[in-house]
Amino acid sequence: NAGVTQTPKFQVLKTGQSMTLQCAQDMNHNSMYWYRQDPGMGLRLIYYSASEGTTDKGEVPNGYNVSRLNKREFSLRLESAAPSQTSVYFCASRGGQNTGNQPQHFGDGTRLSIL
Amino acid sequence: GESVGLHLPTLSVQEGDNSIINCAYSNSASDYFIWYKQESGKGPQFIIDIRSNMDKRQGQRVTVLLNKTVKHLSLQIAATQPGDSAVYFCAETHNYGQNFVFGPGTRLSVLP
Repeated sequence: NAGVTQTPKFQVLKTGQSMTLQCAQDMNHNSMYWYRQDPGMGLRLIYYSASEGTTDKGEVPNGYNVSRLNKREFSLRLESAAPSQTSVYFCASRGGQNTGNQPQHFGDGTRLSIL
Repeated sequence: GESVGLHLPTLSVQEGDNSIINCAYSNSASDYFIWYKQESGKGPQFIIDIRSNMDKRQGQRVTVLLNKTVKHLSLQIAATQPGDSAVYFCAETHNYGQNFVFGPGTRLSVLP
C-alpha cells in the first residue's frame, strides 16, 4: 500500500519556468491538500480539494494553480516560478468528506529550488 | 487570528527517559488536535489525535494531554528511543474544518 505518492522528489527550476507537481493517493480518500514547508515555519496550506471536482484556496494560494484530475490525483502547478517559491511541497489526503475528524496522510514531499 | 505554536524549538533527552513536547493554541473554538512526527527527508507521520471532548488519550508509548482552560496540548513519549529522534508538530482545526493550522515543530534529539 503506497499511501500518498509525490513526483518528482527533487527539482531545480529557473525563474519564470513552469512546472507541475504530481500527487496520487490509493486510500480512496475524498479530500486532498497541498502544503509548503519553509524553515522555522509550520506547514502552510496552498490549496485543497474537499472532494473530486472541487478546489479551494488555502492560506498561501498566490502563484499556484491546482487540478483535481480524479479522485486519486491532485496536481499543483507553478505557472511562472519565483525564488520565493523555493520550498518543500507536501501533498496530503484525508478520508471521507463528512466522516468527522480524521488526520491527514502525507507524502514524502517534493524539494523545489528556484534559481 | 488563530495560531498554533510550540514552547521549545529543541528538546534533548537521554535514551530511556520520558519526553514531553508542548504546544499552545490560541483559537478557543479548536476541537480537534493532532500530533505528527517528521523524520529527515520524509513527510509528517500521524502519531495520535484527540478531540476537544477528551482530556487525555493514550497510544503505544505516547499520551496526548489537552488542557482547554489554558489552550495547551502536550505529547508525552515514554521510554524514549533513538528512533524517536525527529521533529514533532501539533496541528489543530475546528468545526470539522479542512484548514489545519500547524505549529513550527520541536526537534527531539535522543542522547545515547
